[in-house]
Amino acid sequence: GAVVSQHPSRVICKSGTSVKIECRSLDFQATTMFWYRQFPKQSLMLMATSNEGSKATYEQGVEKDKFLINHASLTLSTLTVTSAHPEDSSFYICLSRDSYGYTFGSGTRLTVV
Amino acid sequence: QKEVEQNSGPLSVPEGAIASLNCTYSDRGSQSFFWYRQYSGKSPELIMFIYSNGDKEDGRFTAQLNKASQYVSLLIRDSQPSDSATYLCAVVPGSSNTGKLIFGQGTTLQVKP
Repeated sequence: GAVVSQHPSRVICKSGTSVKIECRSLDFQATTMFWYRQFPKQSLMLMATSNEGSKATYEQGVEKDKFLINHASLTLSTLTVTSAHPEDSSFYICLSRDSYGYTFGSGTRLTVV
Repeated sequence: QKEVEQNSGPLSVPEGAIASLNCTYSDRGSQSFFWYRQYSGKSPELIMFIYSNGDKEDGRFTAQLNKASQYVSLLIRDSQPSDSATYLCAVVPGSSNTGKLIFGQGTTLQVKP
């Protein structure tokens, strides 16, 4: 089946630094990538939607200058958390969509100290 | 009103019983409905999807959709301790042109041996 490789799985960074999370579709082309954030014991909240070669569409309340999304190719999408703060600590996960359906990445646990 | 609502639980059932999980959604134009299972700290796993009114069965799982009532449910027969997890209902809103999934807050299921 379709596989989306997400890296890193866990990252600890210092407050004020930036972190990049990558999602690669390994055996298919992800025309659309959704990025979600999940706080403990809460559901997945959609942050943004990206399509290859175009600017991401952000959900209301999500800072586009803080959460930079790049979908440079049909197999790679990245989320960069800029100037991270402790309140950005969360589980970040990508969800790809192609003509066959949806595939989740494995998620990234970000801890900002 | 939230777009997708679930009772957060926990729902506790004895091993071998039927677990019934419910979900309501607000966008009457929604066409696609999904049930995911998520273990703590892990990526969600797809259990079933349903597009048409009525029941859809897959092994021990049955999804039920009633578009008139804007209601979708998941029945788990012969519940096992390994079914203990958080179950997420997801909907593609009718207003979406990207196919984004909107998730409910999830229902925690506990199956007691």
